[in-house]
Amino acid sequence: EPEVTQTPSHQVTQMGQEVILRCVPISNHLYFYWYRQILGQKVEFLVSFYNNEISEKSEIFDDQFSVERPDGSNFTLKIRSTKLEDSAMYFCASHPTKFTDTQYFGPGTRLTVL
Amino acid sequence: AQTVTQSQPEMSVQEAETVTLSCTYDTSESDYYLFWYKQPPSRQMILVIRQEAYKQQNATENRFSVNFQKAAKSFSLKISDSQLGDAAMYFCAYCTGGSTLGRLYFGRGTQLTVWP
Repeated sequence: EPEVTQTPSHQVTQMGQEVILRCVPISNHLYFYWYRQILGQKVEFLVSFYNNEISEKSEIFDDQFSVERPDGSNFTLKIRSTKLEDSAMYFCASHPTKFTDTQYFGPGTRLTVL
Repeated sequence: AQTVTQSQPEMSVQEAETVTLSCTYDTSESDYYLFWYKQPPSRQMILVIRQEAYKQQNATENRFSVNFQKAAKSFSLKISDSQLGDAAMYFCAYCTGGSTLGRLYFGRGTQLTVWP
């Protein structure tokens, strides 16, 4: 069964450094999302992406964040200058053509900012 | 604004028994979807069950079923014949179509413990 994959599973970085989190959505999916979950808190929407552009972003997704789909398969989230409060689990999700279909989540990347 | 409320931070159940997790939501939309996701200690988000708002029939998936009360904006999850592997954090989630293109709104979760 196809699945969403994410790399790395755990990323440790120093405050102020740039990180890139990678996701490979399911191949026929067209809608992509990033969510984050700070430890012990609920899952929060960051951004949605369709047709090579951002469809919607939350107030969390400020200028430090960017997304792109560089090669038609990978979907990346970049944090330009990490802060301590960026430490969280980051989930990629995707779904196929019909936008109200179920979102399939990747296993997540745990980001630790020191 | 869409909000999802899970009023039970923790629940516990004996193995083989039945447990119900509560969820309420607030929306002015008429067309939307509701989901229950399970998050085990690995923190992977796993879909348990989904419900389309336009369907009156409650969704079921094996031991998992929902009680969808649209007028009351309630969407509870019933787990029958609970198993040790059901122990996890359970999140209720909502999405609507339109301009938000499937963005999910999550509740704060209910931590389910299953006792042998």
